[in-house]
Amino acid sequence: QVQLVQSGVEVTKPGASVKVSCKASGYTFTNYGINWVRQAPGKGLEWMGWISGYNGNTDYAQNFQGRVTVTTDTSTSTAHMEVRSLRFDDTAVYYCARTFRDSWYLLDLWGQGTLVTVSS
Amino acid sequence: QPVVTQEPSLTVSPGGTVTLTCGSSTGSVTGSQYPYWFQQKPGQAPRTLIYDTNSKHSWTPARFSGSLLGGKAALTLSGAQPEDEADYYCLLSYKDARPVFGGGTKLTVL
Repeated sequence: QVQLVQSGVEVTKPGASVKVSCKASGYTFTNYGINWVRQAPGKGLEWMGWISGYNGNTDYAQNFQGRVTVTTDTSTSTAHMEVRSLRFDDTAVYYCARTFRDSWYLLDLWGQGTLVTVSS
Repeated sequence: QPVVTQEPSLTVSPGGTVTLTCGSSTGSVTGSQYPYWFQQKPGQAPRTLIYDTNSKHSWTPARFSGSLLGGKAALTLSGAQPEDEADYYCLLSYKDARPVFGGGTKLTVL
């Protein structure tokens, strides 16, 4: 079955870091890439960044450059996204979505989302 | 960063037709911005309906169509069904090739 399965709920404190994972199955991971998109409670979607499953090339939205890192582990067909120096307004559901190998386009397959709550 | 604008909310009658639009602060939306449209229901992940202005996935109901209209990207729903009540988001690509989402349209079928 072609799917993306994300890691579970995270509750963390301001200033800490969080790492969300996205495990792909049912397709060849290295033939595609992964987008990361987030959605704050009651708000819209926000594109964060992209990584190629083929060569690890990355691109980030300006708002997240320097604070977000996306990586892949091709041995487990898993993408990871780490957010550092967390703030209260980083509380959101974080989604991964499949893309073309060389660019952020496609988004035909989405993970179920991971809720990250930043609370003191 | 460019701003992508959508109607905050729209209402359509069952069986009716409605057009959602997606504008850009940088000017007219063109096909080279590869407009995408997503549907999101409460508690669910988004689902891609339209890509590259007017291309559909295998799961996209035939009543949805995409186009460029009056300098904006447009999503037209013809023959609305109760299950079409959802939030709809567009996504545009820009010169630096990074995508930007619109703020979303809450569509009510009533």
